[in-house]
Amino acid sequence: AQTVTQSQPEMSVQEAETVTLSCTYDTSESDYYLFWYKQPPSRQMILVIRQEAYKQQNATENRFSVNFQKAAKSFSLKISDSQLGDAAMYFCAYRSTLYGGSQGNLIFGKGTKLSVKP
Amino acid sequence: DGGITQSPKYLFRKEGQNVTLSCEQNLNHDAMYWYRQDPGQGLRLIYYSQIVNDFQKGDIAEGYSVSREKKESFPLTVTSAQKNPTAFYLCASNRGRQTEAFFGQGTRLTVV
Repeated sequence: AQTVTQSQPEMSVQEAETVTLSCTYDTSESDYYLFWYKQPPSRQMILVIRQEAYKQQNATENRFSVNFQKAAKSFSLKISDSQLGDAAMYFCAYRSTLYGGSQGNLIFGKGTKLSVKP
Repeated sequence: DGGITQSPKYLFRKEGQNVTLSCEQNLNHDAMYWYRQDPGQGLRLIYYSQIVNDFQKGDIAEGYSVSREKKESFPLTVTSAQKNPTAFYLCASNRGRQTEAFFGQGTRLTVV
């Protein structure tokens, strides 16, 4: 079974600085998707960024980028120029590409709470 | 606007009662999911459904039941058999060929 591990329960960053959130995963599959979701105090889950395992290029979305290391099974999220609105819980998630079974089911890490200091 | 609607936002249950959480989507998504979120636990899968009239147990299905009579709707019933139901419940959906899941706003269930 696949597992996702976020080893940092809490992180803090100064406004305008850069922070990196860590995520590792375990799988025997060669093709899959990885995601970072943000959950602000409103508790609405918001997709931040996604990465297809077959793509070597790291995904980027504005100030958010990932460092995807497939061999190491590592998927970290870098937030540049941190803003107060970035303060939230961040969840790393894995999804298999295999059809049938639990296709589409996301496996989540336990989350990292990010605080942004003004 | 398309999206997923969960209701109610807050729900209180007396011990021994069954309660039903509503989840409706107008995204024309085939697959729908229920997750439970507890502090420090991340999101855990309760039930999922990939097609109408079919659903499967997730990792923590005991004490819960679901139905999928319509593509748009996937209600979750928390039964009296669920011994620790106080939690935040999230419903999600995605289309078969799409990769990301879309989430509702969640329901906070509290046993009183």
